[in-house]
Amino acid sequence: QVQLVQSGAEVKKPGASVKVSCKVSGYTLTELSMHWVRQAPGEGLEWLGGLDPEYGERIYAQKVQGRVTMTEDTSTDTAYMELSSLRPEDTAVYYCATLTFSYGSGTYYAKPEPTVKYYYYAMDVWGQGTTVTVSS
Amino acid sequence: DIVLTQSPGTLSLSPGERATLSCRASQSVSNNYLAWYQQKPGQAPRLLIYGASSRATGIPDRFSGSGSGTDFTLTISRLEPEDFAVYYCHQDGSSQWTFGQGTKVEIK
Repeated sequence: QVQLVQSGAEVKKPGASVKVSCKVSGYTLTELSMHWVRQAPGEGLEWLGGLDPEYGERIYAQKVQGRVTMTEDTSTDTAYMELSSLRPEDTAVYYCATLTFSYGSGTYYAKPEPTVKYYYYAMDVWGQGTTVTVSS
Repeated sequence: DIVLTQSPGTLSLSPGERATLSCRASQSVSNNYLAWYQQKPGQAPRLLIYGASSRATGIPDRFSGSGSGTDFTLTISRLEPEDFAVYYCHQDGSSQWTFGQGTKVEIK
């Protein structure tokens, strides 16, 4: 069973950067497809980016592209999301979430082999969230 | 980007009643890569439905999803007390994944 544990709350000043971590247990990070989602206070969910399940490359939301960097440390099975040039409107709870893949009669954490042509995926396992507050 | 519009914004119902939530996409969602999530205050979202109509692992069968193309529906056949929450639709069939703005299901 995959579990995701995120780093603690952060308070940053406008213009600074923040780096949130997401520690994976129960599986190897290299086999997972990690994504990041945030939620401003009282607002809805906003996807930030992650590993494209089709092509294996990183995709980022246009709104934060150029300010966001998602990386992985495979030696510690930890994923990171760094957001730079912070603004007050970046104040939010940031979640990491990993995809599960459904095909045949099962659901799996790892992307299927290329021989599997049809499958669905969804953000199925979530971290507990990290509150990032941007304030002067 | 595909814009997802959910309706209604708030649904006021009693336990035992049927809830019908709508999600309309600004353009066709590729391969029906449409999911539904439930979120309760202070908690991370929980996956309910993927592929428009498949229930995620451990989700009770009172939750069902339907639809294709641009129009999708989440139905809760008989509301249980723990079902009162905010529900989001989400598409991941394009290079820019998006969420709807959410529908709050509240106790009448």
